[in-house]
Amino acid sequence: RKEVEQDPGPFNVPEGATVAFNCTYSNSASQSFFWYRQDCRKEPKLLMSVYSSGNEDGRFTAQLNRASQYISLLIRDSKLSDSATYLCVVNPGDSWGKFQFGAGTQVVVTP
Amino acid sequence: SAVISQKPSRDICQRGTSLTIQCQVDSQVTMMFWYRQQPGQSLTLIATANQGSEATYESGFVIDKFPISRPNLTFSTLTVSNMSPEDSSIYLCSVEHRDRVSYNEQFFGPGTRLTVL
Repeated sequence: RKEVEQDPGPFNVPEGATVAFNCTYSNSASQSFFWYRQDCRKEPKLLMSVYSSGNEDGRFTAQLNRASQYISLLIRDSKLSDSATYLCVVNPGDSWGKFQFGAGTQVVVTP
Repeated sequence: SAVISQKPSRDICQRGTSLTIQCQVDSQVTMMFWYRQQPGQSLTLIATANQGSEATYESGFVIDKFPISRPNLTFSTLTVSNMSPEDSSIYLCSVEHRDRVSYNEQFFGPGTRLTVL
């Protein structure tokens, strides 16, 4: 089993719609969680850190469910510019910097 | 967040040669990391670049193949040695930042796209 698993997608989303997807992690002792956005041929950029049970930043809402060991990302009122691959990243907490990366969920927002 | 630059941004190299990738950060950071991202894959950590000591390599990566330097707190290099086509990948450096609520976030350089013929 992979340490961090994501549905690769693609999620095809009409502009203005809402899309949500999950990420599961295997290490129950994981300490911190992040969503990164990666555009084609670009580096990953931090979208959100996921605090305690979750947090919201504008149109983006991240939630953490420690009991079921997953985090989710919800995008409301999707924009064409939201088209990207979203990487789920987990810090297992046992070593500084040893982040575990999911393979990414591709989101395609269509006009 | 830190501003990170990498050089070169891309290169096409011949089999058997070596390429050194530079990573420069605009502030002093304790932890710098080198990742590889192969086409269609997620990021794989190669090693942690430690200032003043040898890099710490992950399983499957060795110093002879990927020598790393970390001469100071703002700079690191990764060399891809004796390259083969399987080394074709994007190589990314990153730094770790601890924000005000103590969540250690990582920020990435723009990457070096390497193609080995």
